[in-house]
Amino acid sequence: DGGITQSPKYLFRKEGQNVTLSCEQNLNHDAMYWYRQDPGQGLRLIYYSQIVNDFQKGDIAEGYSVSREKKESFPLTVTSAQKNPTAFYLCASSVNRGSETQYFGPGTRLLVL
Amino acid sequence: GENVEQHPSTLSVQEGDSAVIKCTYSDSASNYFPWYKQELGKRPQLIIDIRSNVGEKKDQRIAVTLNKTAKHFSLHITETQPEDSAVYFCAASKGGTYKYIFGTGTRLKVLA
Repeated sequence: DGGITQSPKYLFRKEGQNVTLSCEQNLNHDAMYWYRQDPGQGLRLIYYSQIVNDFQKGDIAEGYSVSREKKESFPLTVTSAQKNPTAFYLCASSVNRGSETQYFGPGTRLLVL
Repeated sequence: GENVEQHPSTLSVQEGDSAVIKCTYSDSASNYFPWYKQELGKRPQLIIDIRSNVGEKKDQRIAVTLNKTAKHFSLHITETQPEDSAVYFCAASKGGTYKYIFGTGTRLKVLA
């Protein structure tokens, strides 16, 4: 999991603003994922991508968007449509699809001003 | 829909005692079950996993057991130490999908 990086560590969003969270991996993994974790809660899947130029909605995709233009990168944009964005955002990757171990990045904590 | 129930939500044990966390899954096609440990403000880290073709797996003080008939799996930590204090998550997934279904987590406190 040391090969997955997320930036920034902390991010502040103003009302009505879109913000983008970065996720990069150098593990040559095909699949990448974004999760949201609220305080004291489990992990909920926002989006996932099996391969470059392809991504699928997870359980809570509304108010979020992603792109996968490069294998190494899977940025997440939190749009102004996401009314309650304060959370800990975790990116993960795995070798390929299905039943394979997911390795997590260090996370980005998003706070609303 | 698919879900994973995890119990207990909090668990306190004395140092040196054993801790057991249990998860029950709903999708009988699930075939991969990882356990993650998450310290406060840090990333979840894989501590052990098991596939559906085995019933038990052990790694030093940590073991996982799987009962496919009952659709539940458990994490066992023996000789607990203060550094074992963290939140533990179970998950289930099945071949051909990308999705993990996570449990809601167990906060383990090891009292010195």
